[in-house]
Amino acid sequence: EAQVTQNPRYLITVTGKKLTVTCSQNMNHEYMSWYRQDPGLGLRQIYYSMNVEVTDKGDVPEGYKVSRKEKRNFPLILESPSPNQTSLYFCASSSADRWLNTGELFFGEGSRLTVL
Amino acid sequence: QKEVEQNSGPLSVPEGAIASLNCTYSDRGSQSFFWYRQYSGKSPELIMSIYSNGDKEDGRFTAQLNKASQYVSLLIRDSQPSDSATYLCAVKYDTGFQKLVFGTGTRLLVSP
Repeated sequence: EAQVTQNPRYLITVTGKKLTVTCSQNMNHEYMSWYRQDPGLGLRQIYYSMNVEVTDKGDVPEGYKVSRKEKRNFPLILESPSPNQTSLYFCASSSADRWLNTGELFFGEGSRLTVL
Repeated sequence: QKEVEQNSGPLSVPEGAIASLNCTYSDRGSQSFFWYRQYSGKSPELIMSIYSNGDKEDGRFTAQLNKASQYVSLLIRDSQPSDSATYLCAVKYDTGFQKLVFGTGTRLLVSP
């Protein structure tokens, strides 16, 4: 089954404790992206990657890091989480061709993060 | 001005009625327009895309695009309680790296 898998789905942590949210897709997609969703602000892009070793900032990259060492994986790293990073996070992917020609994205199930 | 604007709702319609959802956007070389549906606690899923002016129909859904007026709309005919969800308008801007910008969504409630 084609899917985008995120882990963990739910996490409660404390300020300053480094954490990683993993994202893996099995569709051989080149394009991957991270979004956060907050009430009243909608989905905002954090980082994106067009392919292995190619990443760039989205609209709200502060406090986050990413890496793309393998095509299927795109982890989101919070080096020192703060309460304002409490949010619902979505990973999304698409093939390069589909992204460039249509903009369609396939989303993971989301990871709800709470930073105390 | 936000790049993509939607009324947050909720928009309440009775079962069987037509639900009309609207979205306006900033014109910055935009080229592709999408409607995603998001059930509470779930991930967004694409339900319609439209790329040129006019109407595009898919089953009970019709997307309408008017680039001159910078708006996109989604009509849902014969609304069902299962259509109750938040509908996200998204616009893909062709500025440097092609960027997909989402509106904040309109919550639709369909009552039996």
